[in-house]
Amino acid sequence: ETGVTQTPRHLVMGMTNKKSLKCEQHLGHNAMYWYKQSAKKPLELMFVYNFKEQTENNSVPSRFSPECPNSSHLFLHLHTLQPEDSALYLCASSQEWENSYNEQFFGPGTRLTVL
Amino acid sequence: GENVEQHPSTLSVQEGDSAVIKCTYSDSASNYFPWYKQELGKRPQLIIDIRSNVGEKKDQRIAVTLNKTAKHFSLHITETQPEDSAVYFCAPPGGGNKLTFGTGTQLKVEL
Repeated sequence: ETGVTQTPRHLVMGMTNKKSLKCEQHLGHNAMYWYKQSAKKPLELMFVYNFKEQTENNSVPSRFSPECPNSSHLFLHLHTLQPEDSALYLCASSQEWENSYNEQFFGPGTRLTVL
Repeated sequence: GENVEQHPSTLSVQEGDSAVIKCTYSDSASNYFPWYKQELGKRPQLIIDIRSNVGEKKDQRIAVTLNKTAKHFSLHITETQPEDSAVYFCAPPGGGNKLTFGTGTQLKVEL
Protein backbone atom coordinates (compact mmCIF):
# COMPACT_ATOMS: atom_id res chain seq x y z
CA GLU A 1 0.00 0.00 0.00
CA THR A 2 1.30 3.42 -0.92
CA GLY A 3 0.65 6.82 0.61
CA VAL A 4 -0.07 6.78 4.33
CA THR A 5 -0.49 3.49 6.16
CA GLN A 6 -1.64 2.81 9.71
CA THR A 7 -1.50 -0.27 11.93
CA PRO A 8 -3.39 -1.80 13.49
CA ARG A 9 -6.66 -1.04 11.72
CA HIS A 10 -8.70 -2.13 14.73
CA LEU A 11 -7.73 -2.24 18.40
CA VAL A 12 -9.64 -3.24 21.51
CA MET A 13 -7.98 -2.55 24.82
CA GLY A 14 -8.75 -2.41 28.50
CA MET A 15 -8.24 0.71 30.57
CA THR A 16 -5.09 -0.69 32.14
CA ASN A 17 -3.44 -1.80 28.91
CA LYS A 18 -0.59 -0.13 27.06
CA LYS A 19 -0.67 -0.16 23.29
CA SER A 20 0.81 1.80 20.39
CA LEU A 21 -0.55 2.99 17.07
CA LYS A 22 1.80 3.22 14.13
CA CYS A 23 1.73 5.45 11.08
CA GLU A 24 4.06 5.43 8.10
CA GLN A 25 4.08 7.73 5.10
CA HIS A 26 5.75 6.91 1.79
CA LEU A 27 5.30 10.38 0.26
CA GLY A 28 8.51 12.08 1.31
CA HIS A 29 6.59 14.56 3.45
CA ASN A 30 8.06 16.49 6.35
CA ALA A 31 4.98 17.07 8.51
CA MET A 32 2.85 14.43 10.21
CA TYR A 33 -0.34 14.72 12.24
CA TRP A 34 -2.54 12.75 14.62
CA TYR A 35 -6.30 13.40 14.56
CA LYS A 36 -9.14 11.98 16.65
CA GLN A 37 -12.50 11.42 14.95
CA SER A 38 -15.44 10.71 17.25
CA ALA A 39 -19.03 10.18 16.22
CA LYS A 40 -20.88 13.41 15.47
CA LYS A 41 -17.83 15.57 16.23
CA PRO A 42 -15.38 17.30 13.90
CA LEU A 43 -11.93 15.90 13.37
CA GLU A 44 -9.81 17.06 16.28
CA LEU A 45 -6.15 17.78 15.74
CA MET A 46 -4.07 16.17 18.50
CA PHE A 47 -0.40 16.55 17.57
CA VAL A 48 1.76 17.95 14.78
CA TYR A 49 5.33 17.00 14.01
CA ASN A 50 7.49 18.93 11.57
CA PHE A 51 10.89 17.48 10.66
CA LYS A 52 10.54 15.12 13.67
CA GLU A 53 9.96 17.99 16.09
CA GLN A 54 6.63 18.44 17.84
CA THR A 55 5.11 21.79 16.89
CA GLU A 56 1.57 21.40 18.19
CA ASN A 57 -0.02 19.69 21.17
CA ASN A 58 -3.69 20.53 21.21
CA SER A 59 -4.18 20.14 24.97
CA VAL A 60 -4.14 16.36 24.68
CA PRO A 61 -4.20 14.35 27.94
CA SER A 62 -0.87 12.81 28.91
CA ARG A 63 -2.30 9.29 28.54
CA PHE A 64 -1.64 9.88 24.81
CA SER A 65 2.09 10.07 24.09
CA PRO A 66 3.33 10.70 20.55
CA GLU A 67 6.69 9.73 19.14
CA CYS A 68 8.27 10.67 15.83
CA PRO A 69 11.62 8.91 15.28
CA ASN A 70 11.96 10.20 11.71
CA SER A 71 9.93 12.10 9.11
CA SER A 72 8.35 8.90 7.79
CA HIS A 73 7.13 7.31 11.01
CA LEU A 74 4.77 8.47 13.73
CA PHE A 75 3.57 6.60 16.78
CA LEU A 76 0.87 7.22 19.34
CA HIS A 77 1.49 5.43 22.62
CA LEU A 78 -1.61 4.75 24.69
CA HIS A 79 -1.86 3.97 28.40
CA THR A 80 -4.61 4.00 31.02
CA LEU A 81 -7.19 5.18 28.49
CA GLN A 82 -10.83 5.89 29.27
CA PRO A 83 -13.91 4.58 27.44
CA GLU A 84 -14.50 8.09 26.03
CA ASP A 85 -11.19 7.76 24.19
CA SER A 86 -12.84 5.22 21.89
CA ALA A 87 -12.70 6.76 18.41
CA LEU A 88 -11.11 6.57 14.99
CA TYR A 89 -7.52 7.81 15.14
CA LEU A 90 -6.30 9.20 11.86
CA CYS A 91 -2.75 9.93 10.84
CA ALA A 92 -1.98 12.44 8.10
CA SER A 93 1.03 13.95 6.40
CA SER A 94 1.78 17.00 4.29
CA GLN A 95 4.79 18.32 2.44
CA GLU A 96 5.57 20.89 5.10
CA TRP A 97 4.01 22.51 8.15
CA GLU A 98 4.70 26.15 7.41
CA ASN A 99 2.86 26.22 4.09
CA SER A 100 -0.88 26.39 4.70
CA TYR A 101 -1.60 25.48 1.07
CA ASN A 102 -0.37 21.92 1.45
CA GLU A 103 -2.86 19.11 0.99
CA GLN A 104 -2.99 16.69 3.90
CA PHE A 105 -2.98 13.00 3.02
CA PHE A 106 -4.74 10.75 5.49
CA GLY A 107 -4.18 7.17 6.48
CA PRO A 108 -7.08 4.69 6.78
CA GLY A 109 -7.25 5.13 10.55
CA THR A 110 -7.21 2.88 13.59
CA ARG A 111 -10.60 2.14 15.11
CA LEU A 112 -9.93 2.08 18.87
CA THR A 113 -12.34 0.66 21.42
CA VAL A 114 -11.57 1.08 25.13
CA LEU A 115 -13.45 -1.28 27.41
CA GLY B 1 -7.89 29.98 16.87
CA GLU B 2 -10.19 29.50 13.96
CA ASN B 3 -13.93 29.00 14.65
CA VAL B 4 -15.62 27.09 11.88
CA GLU B 5 -19.32 26.48 11.30
CA GLN B 6 -20.67 24.28 8.55
CA HIS B 7 -24.25 24.06 7.29
CA PRO B 8 -26.33 22.07 6.75
CA SER B 9 -25.36 19.07 8.87
CA THR B 10 -27.34 16.75 6.61
CA LEU B 11 -28.46 17.20 3.03
CA SER B 12 -30.56 14.88 0.93
CA VAL B 13 -30.95 15.49 -2.80
CA GLN B 14 -32.29 13.61 -5.78
CA GLU B 15 -29.81 12.29 -8.29
CA GLY B 16 -29.09 14.96 -10.85
CA ASP B 17 -29.91 17.86 -8.53
CA SER B 18 -27.36 20.33 -7.18
CA ALA B 19 -26.04 20.48 -3.62
CA VAL B 20 -24.54 23.44 -1.78
CA ILE B 21 -22.70 23.33 1.54
CA LYS B 22 -21.61 26.49 3.32
CA CYS B 23 -18.70 27.04 5.69
CA THR B 24 -18.25 30.12 7.87
CA TYR B 25 -14.91 30.93 9.47
CA SER B 26 -13.71 33.53 11.94
CA ASP B 27 -10.06 34.27 11.17
CA SER B 28 -9.89 37.10 8.65
CA ALA B 29 -6.23 36.19 8.00
CA SER B 30 -7.21 32.79 6.57
CA ASN B 31 -5.96 32.48 3.00
CA TYR B 32 -6.66 28.89 2.03
CA PHE B 33 -10.02 27.12 1.89
CA PRO B 34 -10.12 23.37 1.26
CA TRP B 35 -12.95 20.85 1.16
CA TYR B 36 -12.42 17.22 2.13
CA LYS B 37 -14.69 14.27 1.32
CA GLN B 38 -14.98 11.20 3.51
CA GLU B 39 -16.88 8.23 2.16
CA LEU B 40 -18.28 5.74 4.64
CA GLY B 41 -15.48 3.74 6.22
CA LYS B 42 -12.78 5.53 4.25
CA ARG B 43 -10.22 8.24 4.87
CA PRO B 44 -10.84 11.96 4.24
CA GLN B 45 -9.52 13.16 0.88
CA LEU B 46 -9.10 16.64 -0.53
CA ILE B 47 -11.50 17.25 -3.40
CA ILE B 48 -11.09 20.94 -4.10
CA ASP B 49 -9.46 24.01 -2.59
CA ILE B 50 -9.21 27.72 -3.25
CA ARG B 51 -6.78 30.44 -2.29
CA SER B 52 -7.85 33.84 -1.10
CA ASN B 53 -6.80 35.65 -4.27
CA VAL B 54 -9.63 34.11 -6.34
CA GLY B 55 -13.37 34.06 -5.83
CA GLU B 56 -14.29 30.80 -7.54
CA LYS B 57 -12.71 27.58 -8.72
CA LYS B 58 -14.28 24.75 -10.71
CA ASP B 59 -13.27 21.14 -11.31
CA GLN B 60 -15.81 19.32 -13.46
CA ARG B 61 -18.97 18.95 -11.36
CA ILE B 62 -17.62 20.55 -8.20
CA ALA B 63 -16.84 24.18 -7.48
CA VAL B 64 -15.88 26.31 -4.52
CA THR B 65 -16.82 29.95 -4.11
CA LEU B 66 -15.29 32.34 -1.60
CA ASN B 67 -16.67 35.49 0.01
CA LYS B 68 -13.80 36.93 2.05
CA THR B 69 -15.78 39.95 3.17
CA ALA B 70 -18.47 37.82 4.73
CA LYS B 71 -15.94 35.14 5.75
CA HIS B 72 -17.61 32.17 4.20
CA PHE B 73 -16.95 29.73 1.38
CA SER B 74 -19.21 27.17 -0.22
CA LEU B 75 -18.96 23.82 -1.98
CA HIS B 76 -21.19 23.35 -5.01
CA ILE B 77 -21.86 19.96 -6.56
CA THR B 78 -23.88 19.84 -9.76
CA GLU B 79 -25.55 16.85 -11.42
CA THR B 80 -25.17 14.82 -8.23
CA GLN B 81 -24.56 11.09 -8.49
CA PRO B 82 -24.84 8.27 -5.92
CA GLU B 83 -21.05 8.20 -5.54
CA ASP B 84 -21.22 11.78 -4.24
CA SER B 85 -22.88 10.42 -1.08
CA ALA B 86 -20.36 11.06 1.72
CA VAL B 87 -19.50 13.42 4.54
CA TYR B 88 -17.97 16.69 3.41
CA PHE B 89 -15.73 18.79 5.64
CA CYS B 90 -14.48 22.32 5.21
CA ALA B 91 -11.11 22.87 6.83
CA PRO B 92 -9.68 26.40 6.81
CA PRO B 93 -6.24 26.47 8.42
CA GLY B 94 -5.74 28.40 11.65
CA GLY B 95 -2.01 28.88 11.22
CA GLY B 96 0.61 26.90 9.34
CA ASN B 97 -1.00 23.75 8.00
CA LYS B 98 -3.20 23.44 11.12
CA LEU B 99 -6.55 22.62 9.56
CA THR B 100 -9.66 23.37 11.59
CA PHE B 101 -12.33 20.98 10.43
CA GLY B 102 -16.00 21.82 10.35
CA THR B 103 -18.54 19.45 11.87
CA GLY B 104 -19.23 17.88 8.50
CA THR B 105 -22.22 17.62 6.16
CA GLN B 106 -23.70 14.22 5.46
CA LEU B 107 -24.78 14.32 1.81
CA LYS B 108 -27.14 11.63 0.60
CA VAL B 109 -27.93 11.38 -3.09
CA GLU B 110 -31.14 9.45 -3.62
CA LEU B 111 -32.01 7.58 -6.80
